[in-house]
Amino acid sequence: EPEVTQTPSHQVTQMGQEVILRCVPISNHLYFYWYRQILGQKVEFLVSFYNNEISEKSEIFDDQFSVERPDGSNFTLKIRSTKLEDSAMYFCASSGQGGLPEAFFGQGTRLTVV
Amino acid sequence: DAKTTQPNSMESNEEEPVHLPCNHSTISGTDYIHWYRQLPSQGPEYVIHGLTSNVNNRMASLAIAEDRKSSTLILHRATLRDAAVYYCILRVFNTGKLIFGQGTTLQVKP
Repeated sequence: EPEVTQTPSHQVTQMGQEVILRCVPISNHLYFYWYRQILGQKVEFLVSFYNNEISEKSEIFDDQFSVERPDGSNFTLKIRSTKLEDSAMYFCASSGQGGLPEAFFGQGTRLTVV
Repeated sequence: DAKTTQPNSMESNEEEPVHLPCNHSTISGTDYIHWYRQLPSQGPEYVIHGLTSNVNNRMASLAIAEDRKSSTLILHRATLRDAAVYYCILRVFNTGKLIFGQGTTLQVKP
């Protein structure tokens, strides 16, 4: 069964450093998303991406964050100048034509900022 | 974004049916009702979705009230593997984003 893969599974970084979280969505999907989940809290929408541009973003997704689809297979989330409060699980998801019906999520990258 | 209300937690015995309720009194005509679940230490997983009619798939059934202001996810025979947080989410037709609430934590007892 096709799946969304994320790398690395765990990343530790120092405060102020830049990190890039990587995702390989399901190959024929057209819509891509990033979500995050701070430990013990609910899953939060960050951004959706379609046709090589951001289609929607939340208030969390400020200038510190950026997304890119550098080639036909990868989808990345860059966090510049990381802060302690960026520590969370980051989930990538993708969905097919029309964005419906379901989104497939990866297993997540646990980001720890120290 | 329209809001959903779910019980914080529920318990079930293994191999018994489970009915997980969700209230969404402010649902609009273009909102789809989606259910996802999150097993421990995993990403969310799609379970089922519907608009107006009841739906069945290999994982579960979704019963939608006639006025669409509530719905119930039905697991016909709970297994230990079904222990997870279940999220009821209203998804607007022309947007892909999912707004997760706190969900219902389902415990399944052997």
